Amino acid sequence: GIQVEQSPPDLILQEGANSTLRCNFSDSVNNLQWFHQNPWGQLINLFYIPSGTKQNGRLSATTVATERYSSLYISSSQTTDSGVYFCAVKDYGNKLVFGAGTILRVKS
Amino acid sequence: DVKVTQSSRYLVKRTGEKVFLECVQDMDHENMFWYRQDPGLGLRLIYFSYDVKMKEKGDIPEGYSVSREKKERFSLILESASTNQTSMYLCASSPRDRGTYGYTFGSGTRLTVV
Repeated sequence: GIQVEQSPPDLILQEGANSTLRCNFSDSVNNLQWFHQNPWGQLINLFYIPSGTKQNGRLSATTVATERYSSLYISSSQTTDSGVYFCAVKDYGNKLVFGAGTILRVKS
Repeated sequence: DVKVTQSSRYLVKRTGEKVFLECVQDMDHENMFWYRQDPGLGLRLIYFSYDVKMKEKGDIPEGYSVSREKKERFSLILESASTNQTSMYLCASSPRDRGTYGYTFGSGTRLTVV
């Protein structure tokens, strides 16, 4: 099955700093998503981004499908950005395969 | 405003016990999923269901079974709990006609087996 790798595994930022999270996948995909899991465990979809670039406030995501990677960019980080960020891609059927995640801690 | 509800937030069980984790969704979704989350491994799919009374094995089904008698409810069963099943369990649902879009997750059940 498809493999999904995320980097870095952990990241500590000072409030106001910018960061880039990376997701590499082993096969061509037509469906890539980014999720954020808050410290209470709730997973929320941030982006559906099979290709191209999307922006939502301080967050933006870019997927280059031909090079099999996606990036999530967080600008002017806030403490509420803390949590775990996952990328996930579609496997056969309607299943999502998740990466191991990036744990982000934003300090005030 | 909660749409996917998992019955327990924290659960402590003894080795060998039969454990039931319940998940209920109120969005009339056809698809339901059980994942477990472990540090450094992300979310791994245990079982999923595309319809009532239907179930399919995910990537790590050993030691688990599921039941879906009603559309809104998907239960995960640990037949004989073991310490290596200590984990965070996440339930999700999605509508059939949106493929892998529209996943909604519950808040998770943190299970400790002692």
